[in-house]
Amino acid sequence: ELKVEQNPLFLSMQEGKNYTIYCNYSTTSDRLYWYRQDPGKSLESLFVLLSNGAVKQEGRLMASLDTKARLSTLHITAAVHDLSATYFCAVAAANFGNEKLTFGTGTRLTIIP
Amino acid sequence: DTGVSQDPRHKITKRGQNVTFRCDPISEHNRLYWYRQTLGQGPEFLTYFQNEAQLEKSRLLSDRFSAERPKGSFSTLEIQRTEQGDSAMYLCASSLDRGLSNLGYTFGSGTRLTVV
Repeated sequence: ELKVEQNPLFLSMQEGKNYTIYCNYSTTSDRLYWYRQDPGKSLESLFVLLSNGAVKQEGRLMASLDTKARLSTLHITAAVHDLSATYFCAVAAANFGNEKLTFGTGTRLTIIP
Repeated sequence: DTGVSQDPRHKITKRGQNVTFRCDPISEHNRLYWYRQTLGQGPEFLTYFQNEAQLEKSRLLSDRFSAERPKGSFSTLEIQRTEQGDSAMYLCASSLDRGLSNLGYTFGSGTRLTVV
């Protein structure tokens, strides 16, 4: 069974600082996704990572994927208050036809002015 | 197209009652998924349709839960004889190509169920 672990679970950081959220998964995967969720809201797609070594950037967020290490990172650069949210990684196992996403428990990020 | 729509947004029901939720996916998406999210947790997969065929069901989907997608467009999720443990956010998502495009899977706003 595919397991997805994120750390840290909670992160409080000051504006302007850099930090990284880690997502480890237990079995071979060919697809990894990062989502943002604001309180009481649904999931907003941030990044789709489909190959080893994939790196994608949008604004102050950058995501990368190392399929050999079964690890993805979400790096936050010069954090601003608007980035406060819960971030989830989600992984689809590499079985042919597999459609199920397994989510991590999320990282609750709070940016302090 | 305005994305994935879910109705209702909120539902409060008494224990033992039946409830039904609706999801309208993005019109050209042939794949539709249901997830459940409890407070402080990540979403958990419930079931998935490709067109009108239900191709996978989670063990979480007890016999009190049933999902349909009769014409390969909208989908309904029914919970019979609701229990307090069913209280959660029910999320619907859709995709065109197993989430392989840059859009991945698009989620709706969810239906928050409270069983009292």
